Amino acid sequence: QQPVQSPQAVILREGEDAVINCSSSKALYSVHWYRQKHGEAPVFLMILLKGGEQKGHEKISASFNEKKQQSSLYLTASQLSYSGTYFCGTEIAGNQFYFGTGTSLTVIP
Amino acid sequence: EPEVTQTPSHQVTQMGQEVILRCVPISNHLYFYWYRQILGQKVEFLVSFYNNEISEKSEIFDDQFSVERPDGSNFTLKIRSTKLEDSAMYFCASGYSPGPRDFGPGTRLTVT
Repeated sequence: QQPVQSPQAVILREGEDAVINCSSSKALYSVHWYRQKHGEAPVFLMILLKGGEQKGHEKISASFNEKKQQSSLYLTASQLSYSGTYFCGTEIAGNQFYFGTGTSLTVIP
Repeated sequence: EPEVTQTPSHQVTQMGQEVILRCVPISNHLYFYWYRQILGQKVEFLVSFYNNEISEKSEIFDDQFSVERPDGSNFTLKIRSTKLEDSAMYFCASGYSPGPRDFGPGTRLTVT
């Protein structure tokens, strides 16, 4: 029931764009996205609810395709501060919630 | 802006001892969680708590673990008889809908 993220790891140069995908085998009620920097607690980025909406947070945005049970996180014009591990979190029936497998993102100068 | 707080920030204990990790979630949140992260590994779910009872727990959350929300503000994780492999960072989190919205800074537990 753990959603699968792809890619597992990505290295970007500053200014490049990236897309992180999150795919679930279960019907989704909502999708959360988090970023965790090394040695710190995860930080909530955004939540997407059923309805296929797209949300933005600074230069980071996300989409939610309810029918495909997928969400994608878009990072544009990446900055060094974007480095970290990104997790999706999916809410399924019965108030159950699962973290994704994680994507390590490294931005280099 | 309200924050989730956790105490202590670092706890050292001897194997076999009991520890209680404390968390104060954000006051209007309804869903509460404990996660742990062993050094260098991914965040692992331990337990979720809603409406004054455990709503879900992982395989990790065995009989040596328990959670309580004793007074409507604190949320505690008790480990009855600690083992070396319990050494990890423990994160508390809370949310107003299913899914953790805000994480505390964590308690680093070291079992010697």
